[in-house]
Amino acid sequence: DAGITQSPRHKVTETGTPVTLRCHQTENHRYMYWYRQDPGHGLRLIHYSYGVKDTDKGEVSDGYSVSRSKTEDFLLTLESATSSQTSVYFCAISDRGAGGSTDTQYFGPGTRLTVL
Amino acid sequence: GESVGLHLPTLSVQEGDNSIINCAYSNSASDYFIWYKQESGKGPQFIIDIRSNMDKRQGQRVTVLLNKTVKHLSLQIAATQPGDSAVYFCAEKFNTDKLIFGTGTRLQVFP
Repeated sequence: DAGITQSPRHKVTETGTPVTLRCHQTENHRYMYWYRQDPGHGLRLIHYSYGVKDTDKGEVSDGYSVSRSKTEDFLLTLESATSSQTSVYFCAISDRGAGGSTDTQYFGPGTRLTVL
Repeated sequence: GESVGLHLPTLSVQEGDNSIINCAYSNSASDYFIWYKQESGKGPQFIIDIRSNMDKRQGQRVTVLLNKTVKHLSLQIAATQPGDSAVYFCAEKFNTDKLIFGTGTRLQVFP
């Protein structure tokens, strides 16, 4: 998984509780992404980061926030979880923008989140 | 196992045969394309990529073909093996930092 870990790998929580998912990389890649994956949909981008403290919204950002205080860590927070946020969440990294840059994204193992 | 992809199109092939998985992409201005493989319970795994200035690119047992005229991408897997069973999906990029992903095709390999 290209030096990417996600924690926790599984979580069950209740509606209205805050949840934070963590993505950690050891590749020193500049770009990091959070996606969700649901039946009938392709991977959908929630938020992404193009550097420390530099983030931007994706297509399904409502109800989610992110933070990146270090190159290696990208946090996804659900301030008040809802049942519609039950999903599998994937983190990805990319070395886009570096010398010899590539647009390839490499994915972590995923976090399965269930909101009851 | 994963519930993702319950209603995906499925391609069934016999072990040893060649597989061809197709993808129609959305934007004629897309300049970069990737194929990913996703096994049950795992994250997507990069297989091969191609830029729009190429028509064909080969890897180990895999070939990607790009037809820009009809906005079509295909992944060919030679001598398909049981370990190739997975969901395969394509992604495209145009003029942004972001990839747009297809919903995928399930490949089933039977003996």
